[in-house]
Amino acid sequence: EVQLLESGGGLVQPGGSLRLSCAVSGFTISSYAMTWVRQAPGKGLEWVSSLIGGSLYYADSVKGRFTISRDSSKNTLSLQMNSLRAEDTALYYCARQTKVGAASSYFDFWGQGTLVTVSS
Amino acid sequence: QSVLTQPPSVSGAPGLRLTISCTGSSSNIGAGNDVHWYQQVPGTAPRLLMYAYSNRPSGVPDRFSGSKSGTSASLAITGLQAEDEAEYYCQSYDSSLSGWIFGGGTKLTVL
Repeated sequence: EVQLLESGGGLVQPGGSLRLSCAVSGFTISSYAMTWVRQAPGKGLEWVSSLIGGSLYYADSVKGRFTISRDSSKNTLSLQMNSLRAEDTALYYCARQTKVGAASSYFDFWGQGTLVTVSS
Repeated sequence: QSVLTQPPSVSGAPGLRLTISCTGSSSNIGAGNDVHWYQQVPGTAPRLLMYAYSNRPSGVPDRFSGSKSGTSASLAITGLQAEDEAEYYCQSYDSSLSGWIFGGGTKLTVL
């Protein structure tokens, strides 16, 4: 059974840092693309970052501040978030992404999310 | 303002058919990039509902179907049921933005 479990969320001051983790079971993350998607309170879904093979992709809103990575030995995906802003407040989901090619790629399994709140 | 445009809400009585539209542009749907759909019941994570316009993952009822026309895609639900009440999102890839995009979401209410 595929399971994704996010952790690491919490309350952080503007300008601070936070590291999210996504522990995966049921498949090997090094064989798949992985992604982070966020959802601000009461808002829609926003793609944040993807790791496909050895390539990293970021939304313009987080480029230069967030870093996606994986630890294959622990089968875990991470998102290092620096210089956090109030507008980064959201529920962060990790998801498995299909590697069929960017134009056809979608997210077939999702975790339950971890909440990040950026506030003073 | 989302790159993919969806109606904020739709509603219908049980048993009826309704559709949710997703309008894009020449840099996403019009560029030939696939559209996928997700269902999000309040308080839960999104769930893949439809991929590549009209393909249902295992476990999704055949009451759900998808289609494409030009720079738009549609999700149709027939035989509406109370359990279909949720938020629905379309998703594609935007070649100009070089990133994956979502529609703003459509809240479906079963009357």
